[in-house]
Amino acid sequence: ETGVTQTPRHLVMGMTNKKSLKCEQHLGHNAMYWYKQSAKKPLELMFVYSLEERVENNSVPSRFSPECPNSSHLFLHLHTLQPEDSALYLCASSQRVTYEQYFGPGTRLTVT
Amino acid sequence: AQSVTQLDSHVSVSEGTPVLLRCNYSSSYSPSLFWYVQHPNKGLQLLLKYTSAATLVKGINGFEAEFKKSETSFHLTTPTAHMSDAAEYFCVVSDPGNEKLTFGTGTRLTIIP
Repeated sequence: ETGVTQTPRHLVMGMTNKKSLKCEQHLGHNAMYWYKQSAKKPLELMFVYSLEERVENNSVPSRFSPECPNSSHLFLHLHTLQPEDSALYLCASSQRVTYEQYFGPGTRLTVT
Repeated sequence: AQSVTQLDSHVSVSEGTPVLLRCNYSSSYSPSLFWYVQHPNKGLQLLLKYTSAATLVKGINGFEAEFKKSETSFHLTTPTAHMSDAAEYFCVVSDPGNEKLTFGTGTRLTIIP
């Protein structure tokens, strides 16, 4: 967990709310990622940013909107979520895409 | 295309005994391979990595893995299980021709006191 921080650690939101998840890396890396981890399902890659440009979007619904203002910060903006979006959202960073990734502790999201 | 298969979804061993977590991979190129560990309610932590150097890779917490190209395997082992090793373990492959990591479905390791 050292080097990549995520806030908040827990979030409960209604289906009509708008909230944002924040990720910050202190490792000097150039690539950042959002993953979704649901119970009994494989880890799902959502978005990849390299040098602040989005290089991958794995068919994620538009109710999830990423933002990467600089190489150290990554946001995931959430609006009109569904209960099935409840999951652990993990942020990661790496020196370059395909290098080993370093993960934050995750945000546990519950949509009611 | 790259893929990774973790052969056991759940492994249980007694404290103090050896652990073997199995992983097979498929890759069109010479891959990089990783093992990550995830303790409950935590993020993933890198245990070790193989990047085409020595085939026997030593990681943290007494774990090691051996890259066997002929068997397309990258199994994770430790000679002595500790209670603190109870966690979920993920095998990961990175194919230089496909700029992303592919994660296995995970193996849950339970340590019996």
